[in-house]
Amino acid sequence: QQQVKQSPQSLIVQKGGISIINCAYENTAFDYFPWYQQFPGKGPALLIAIRPDVSEKKEGRFTISFNKSAKQFSLHIMDSQPGDSATYFCAASIRSSASKIIFGSGTRLSIRP
Amino acid sequence: EAQVTQNPRYLITVTGKKLTVTCSQNMNHEYMSWYRQDPGLGLRQIYYSMNVEVTDKGDVPEGYKVSRKEKRNFPLILESPSPNQTSLYFCASSLISGRAGREQFFGPGTRLTVL
Repeated sequence: QQQVKQSPQSLIVQKGGISIINCAYENTAFDYFPWYQQFPGKGPALLIAIRPDVSEKKEGRFTISFNKSAKQFSLHIMDSQPGDSATYFCAASIRSSASKIIFGSGTRLSIRP
Repeated sequence: EAQVTQNPRYLITVTGKKLTVTCSQNMNHEYMSWYRQDPGLGLRQIYYSMNVEVTDKGDVPEGYKVSRKEKRNFPLILESPSPNQTSLYFCASSLISGRAGREQFFGPGTRLTVL
């Protein structure tokens, strides 16, 4: 019940296309859903996050869509650029567990020029 | 500059030889955590600490020890490393409360190989 399932494991998108990464969870007590971006040789860094009281959050070309009833959330990258090539992790946490975060398995995204 | 530092960045060792990976943060964060990253498995939590002298097991604690004697430092200790502990290790820290709470700041990683 603590798992966060992420798909696909890898994704190749043409420059200018839309990249979509999906995650699903079981524990309805999760109340914070961040996405982390990791470039090769670096630690992950927070990209964007959403709380379950909204269905969508947009920051620039990055959008999180959240479906509370389906217990699913996704990351959309519009107008994907080669600089977006990285590994993306979805995650979920529960406020009662303070900062403990459960991460998905990661998606390696490659944007072809 | 606000950051999490880890040392060493790369380490090759042999089975059974005790080692310590250091982690330090300069952001006065209460929460610190260790993760290991393996292909296809994502980031799995090893141990975490809510504050000085308060530590708890994560999802994969076997074979690891930690201590939190100072707020800024959270070393990871492998008393008797084995080849299945070959992995990429990350230390992270965050605030616990407030609007900025729960964003985790990661170190640059330590790549450990146990022969």
